[in-house]
Amino acid sequence: SQTIHQWPATLVQPVGSPLSLECTVEGTSNPNLYWYRQAAGRGLQLLFYSVGIGQISSEVPQNLSASRPQDRQFILSSKKLLLSDSGFYLCAWSVQQYNSPLHFGNGTRLTVT
Amino acid sequence: KNEVEQSPQNLTAQEGEFITINCSYSVGISALHWLQQHPGGGIVSLFMLSSGKKKHGRLIATINIQEKHSSLHITASHPRDSAVYICAGVPSSNTGNQFYFGTGTSLTVIP
Repeated sequence: SQTIHQWPATLVQPVGSPLSLECTVEGTSNPNLYWYRQAAGRGLQLLFYSVGIGQISSEVPQNLSASRPQDRQFILSSKKLLLSDSGFYLCAWSVQQYNSPLHFGNGTRLTVT
Repeated sequence: KNEVEQSPQNLTAQEGEFITINCSYSVGISALHWLQQHPGGGIVSLFMLSSGKKKHGRLIATINIQEKHSSLHITASHPRDSAVYICAGVPSSNTGNQFYFGTGTSLTVIP
């Protein structure tokens, strides 16, 4: 069966510090991978998606970046965090087929202080 | 205006009540997902439907593509149903990388 792991679960970082959130998927190959952000009281916002190793598409311009060094590994990074980066970050995967369901990780609650 | 609107935003119900959450969308979609987000934050997919009705246990989801409306019903609600319910539309021209998410309905079921 397929599983998705995302860590850490919570993170408190000062403004200007770097960020690295990691997500790995098991039990499937060549998945679509996604990073979403959920701000308080708002819907899920797609940040990045990837259809293959090294292939990253950005939906929203920001100071965040994403990388996919391996087929089932997706990393969200920042060189310098802003206060506005606080939120709940979710990794998700789907098979590469139209109308396929999304499978979410448990999320990372990031607080930038 | 968000492409997907949910109502109500917040809902409190007594245990055992029948609950309805509505989702309306202004864009053309080919399918719609209903997701459940528990207080811990993790999200699970409840349904994906493109027409008619689907049922799983006490949960029923319906969709009318022409009327651009979907509903999620919970029969005999229970405190463990307390969660945020999110609908997400798949645009008709989607390549598999984008969903239109509603802002969610926060449900609290009181014992």
